[in-house]
Amino acid sequence: EVQLVETGGGLIQPGGSLRLSCAASGFTVSSNYMGWARQAAGKGLEWVSVIYGAAGTYYIDSVKGRFTISRDNSKNTLYLQLNSLRAEDTAVYYCARAAAGTSFFDYWGQGTLVTVSS
Amino acid sequence: DIQMTQSPSTLSASVGDRVTITCRASQSISSWLAWYQQKPGKAPKLLISKASSLESGVPSRFSGSGSGTEFTLTISSLQPDDFATYYCQQYDNYSWTFGQGTKVEIK
Repeated sequence: EVQLVETGGGLIQPGGSLRLSCAASGFTVSSNYMGWARQAAGKGLEWVSVIYGAAGTYYIDSVKGRFTISRDNSKNTLYLQLNSLRAEDTAVYYCARAAAGTSFFDYWGQGTLVTVSS
Repeated sequence: DIQMTQSPSTLSASVGDRVTITCRASQSISSWLAWYQQKPGKAPKLLISKASSLESGVPSRFSGSGSGTEFTLTISSLQPDDFATYYCQQYDNYSWTFGQGTKVEIK
């Protein structure tokens, strides 16, 4: 059974850093496109970052240079390093897996809340 | 990035109604479009991929159509479990974008 479990969220001051983790089971993270989406309270969904192929990455413009997506195949875990955090980064962050051979995300984690506030 | 515009933003409907949600892309994306359903406090659920391919386990009352820049999600007979927010999502050349969402409310 495919499962994704996110951890690492919390309350952080502006300018601070966090690392989100997404532990995967039932498949290998290196075999599928993997991504992070976020949702601020009462707002819509927003793709933040996707990792694909050997090491290809996508970032939304507002996080370029501040966030880094990566994966550890030995731990079967996806990461999102969040640096230089801003109040507008406050959101629930979801980890997601794309179906094999596609760019559409068929499995999602439960989400982890990141709150950026002083 | 390609922009996705959904309409309407909110839709009030009754059980049994036929419901249609539209999604327009700022440029052609062929059939690289998905539809998701999200309920409050829950992760999104993939309903349809490649514009019209129904995911396993999704009721047949859901259908998708379109290509290029205009796409629709249709629910043929709205059920109580269908009251939720629906998002379209495009994929093009290693970039991904959601529409702003359509909330389907009870009339």
